[in-house]
Amino acid sequence: DAGVTQSPTHLIKTRGQHVTLRCSPISGHKSVSWYQQVLGQGPQFIFQYYEKEERGRGNFPDRFSARQFPNYSSELNVNALLLGDSALYLCASSLKVGGDSPLHFGNGTRLTVT
Amino acid sequence: QKEVEQDPGPLSVPEGAIVSLNCTYSNSAFQYFMWYRQYSRKGPELLMYTYSSGNKEDGRFTAQVDKSSKYISLFIRDSQPSDSATYLCATISSGSARQLTFGSGTQLTVLP
Repeated sequence: DAGVTQSPTHLIKTRGQHVTLRCSPISGHKSVSWYQQVLGQGPQFIFQYYEKEERGRGNFPDRFSARQFPNYSSELNVNALLLGDSALYLCASSLKVGGDSPLHFGNGTRLTVT
Repeated sequence: QKEVEQDPGPLSVPEGAIVSLNCTYSNSAFQYFMWYRQYSRKGPELLMYTYSSGNKEDGRFTAQVDKSSKYISLFIRDSQPSDSATYLCATISSGSARQLTFGSGTQLTVLP
């Protein structure tokens, strides 16, 4: 079975630009979450979506937005990129929202902002 | 103070050793506890998933949760070079909670 797939795997952008990251969840999973992982740290929560509705938002600026499509895939958008946005962006899927539904992560998109 | 603190490492052990990885947490509402393994340039892979206090064993891996002391551990028996990775503890509160809270990770190297 295919796991969580993310595209692209790597991306280099310039400060001020916009970026869109894409994620396809495990088949049957209806919830998608996005996390940011800076080198040497654990992942930090950005968003969670379930059944196309936002169910949670972490402490990130409004430059970050996301959406979930009817096929449960998801996009993460980041506007006006800053150098500090350079990180590994991880998508995770789960059957549903909640602690009793463990998250399964993709291999991430590595974003470099120059 | 971070909600989840993890021994920073790095940790280097000889092949065959027993490895102990540890985290502490501060929020009594945390009920679900996970360990993820992350290889270089890969995403976190779910290793162990437990609910509340107690032990859970899966092959060479044992996860232990002590809610009274807010302490979670992962033990790896007969460690192998392929176990070399960063190990992340994570936790979440109730069934309606939205986000995992991660430790900062412990980098483990198992020397052949």
